[in-house]
Amino acid sequence: SQQGEEDPQALSIQEGENATMNCSYKTSINNLQWYRQNSGRGLVHLILIRSNEREKHSGRLRVTLDTSKKSSSLLITASRAADTASYFCATDPFNTDKLIFGTGTRLQVFP
Amino acid sequence: KAGVTQTPRYLIKTRGQQVTLSCSPISGHRSVSWYQQTPGQGLQFLFEYFSETQRNKGNFPGRFSGRQFSNSRSEMNVSTLELGDSALYLCASSPGLDSPLHFGNGTRLTVT
Repeated sequence: SQQGEEDPQALSIQEGENATMNCSYKTSINNLQWYRQNSGRGLVHLILIRSNEREKHSGRLRVTLDTSKKSSSLLITASRAADTASYFCATDPFNTDKLIFGTGTRLQVFP
Repeated sequence: KAGVTQTPRYLIKTRGQQVTLSCSPISGHRSVSWYQQTPGQGLQFLFEYFSETQRNKGNFPGRFSGRQFSNSRSEMNVSTLELGDSALYLCASSPGLDSPLHFGNGTRLTVT
């Protein structure tokens, strides 16, 4: 079964609006990562947040991590049409040495 | 630096056949992971190799196998193909543990 579940499954917004995606996971982790995938292509790493961090920023991206709730959120500010893609969270659970991906959120940004 | 290269890009095979997919990691990356992506199951971890040793394996039948060569290039093999093996197979490399993955664009396998 999936370690991570993203919410919502799909999100449609207008350019300039903010997009928020949430990820919940089941077991304790070393770190959590977010990736983006454009249709039919490989995934691109966006940001990594370690289990002892609560918030991290990278350009228009802001990621939060709440280990007590086993959840994370990805905020994309001032979205652009080029942000249209699927976004996945991935966790590195303790004692597994493998990266487990969530189910993904499909983001559509309309010009 | 060149990115992760996967070949072939597309493949059509018949049930019962076998297939070999290839992955060339980013130069200097010693870890190679393989994932299967389908609309129904999402991204499923297949296996990971580090310095020619399989370090981790997902929950796939023995028909799925892989190996890594001394130059870090990796191959995965699927024998006795089934219709359900139709998927996008993604390879990713990284310098080592706790590092982000760098993905190739995948091999789209269709089994008829």
